[in-house]
Parts: sequence; C-alpha cells; structure tokens
Amino acid sequence: EVQLVESGGGLVKPGGSLRLSCEASGFTFSSSSMNWVRQAPGKGLEWVSSISSSSSYMYYADSVKGRFTISRDNAKNSLYLEMNSLRAEDTAVYYCTKVRGLGSGPFDYWGQGTLVTVSS
Amino acid sequence: DIQMTQSPSSLSASVGDRVTITCRASQGIANYLAWYQQKPGKVPELLIYTASTLQSGVSSRFSGSGSGTDFTLTISSLQPEDVATYYCQRYNSAPRTFGQGTKVEIK
Repeated sequence: EVQLVESGGGLVKPGGSLRLSCEASGFTFSSSSMNWVRQAPGKGLEWVSSISSSSSYMYYADSVKGRFTISRDNAKNSLYLEMNSLRAEDTAVYYCTKVRGLGSGPFDYWGQGTLVTVSS
Repeated sequence: DIQMTQSPSSLSASVGDRVTITCRASQGIANYLAWYQQKPGKVPELLIYTASTLQSGVSSRFSGSGSGTDFTLTISSLQPEDVATYYCQRYNSAPRTFGQGTKVEIK
C-alpha cells in the first residue's frame, strides 16, 4: 500500500524558515518523480514544486522561486521542502504527491498534508 | 505560463442529473490533462488522466473528454457522494497548473 506521510509543519513568524519532510513507502520511491502541492485555507490547489526521480530536474512555482528548495534522499525514501523567507501568503496545507508512472504524469497518491501557518 | 480556467465555479444539480464541467487551457496541452476530486475535509484524489482514462477504482459515472485546449468532465448521474470540488490540472511540463476548481452541490 502506497503511503506518503508529511511532517514538519507548524507556526512560524514572517521571514522565518521551516523544513517539511515526506516519508514514502509501498512503491519504488527512487523511480518516481515527486511534487509538493499546497492549499491555502478555503482556497484551491496550487502546485509548488517538482523533482525528478534522480534529482536531475527541479521546478518551482513563481510564487516560491528563490525561497523554497525541493530535495529528496532516495536511500531514505524521503522528500523534503526547505522553506525560507516565509510570508503570510505561504500559509497552507502542504501535500506531498507521487507522480503516476515514470517521468511526467498526474499525481496518483497524496499524503494527508501538513499545515504551515505564517503569522506573527 | 499556461493558464487553466474551469467553468462554472460552482453548480447545484439534482440527484440523477448529468453534470458537465469544462476546463480550458490557454495553450494546447495535447491530452496531458488530469481531473481530481476533493470531498469536503478530505485529500484530493485522482479521477481521470490523459484527459479520458479513468483511474483504477473510480466509478464509471465519471468520464472525461477533450484534447488540445478544451476538456470536459462529465458525471453521468449525480449521486450524493459526488458532492466535492473538482480540479483540472495540466501535467506535461512545469508549472503543473491547476484550474481554480468547480464546487458541485446537490439541489
């Protein structure tokens, strides 16, 4: 059974930093591209960042470029999102998602999400 | 960047009604289009990919069509358990943009 378990969310002040983690199991993590998607309270889904299976390619939404860094450790079956210079508008539930198949594809599994709140 | 626009933003229909949601891409995306369902308080789930392929385990009430810039999601006979917000998404390249969502309610 595929499982994606996020952790690391919490309350942080504007300008602060946070590191999200996602522990994956039930599939060959090293073969799958992964993504972070966020959802602000009462709002729609926003794609945040993607990373290829071997970390060769990383992509970011314009809204987080230069502030967020995606990474992965295939030996630990883990995905990360380093978030710096956090703003109030970064407040959201952050989901770790797995890409279906190899390369680019839809997101067939989602974690339960971790809430990040940026407030003074 | 390619924008994804859904319509309507919300709809209310009766049980048994046929419901159609549209998604338009600002540029052609071939068939690299997915639909997701997010029930209230729940995590989004993949319904359809490559515009018309049903994800395993998804009810055959759901169907998708389209290619290029115009896509549709159809619920053939609306059921109470279909109350949710539906999102389209392009996934062929970054940014993997979602539509703004369509909230479906029962009349």
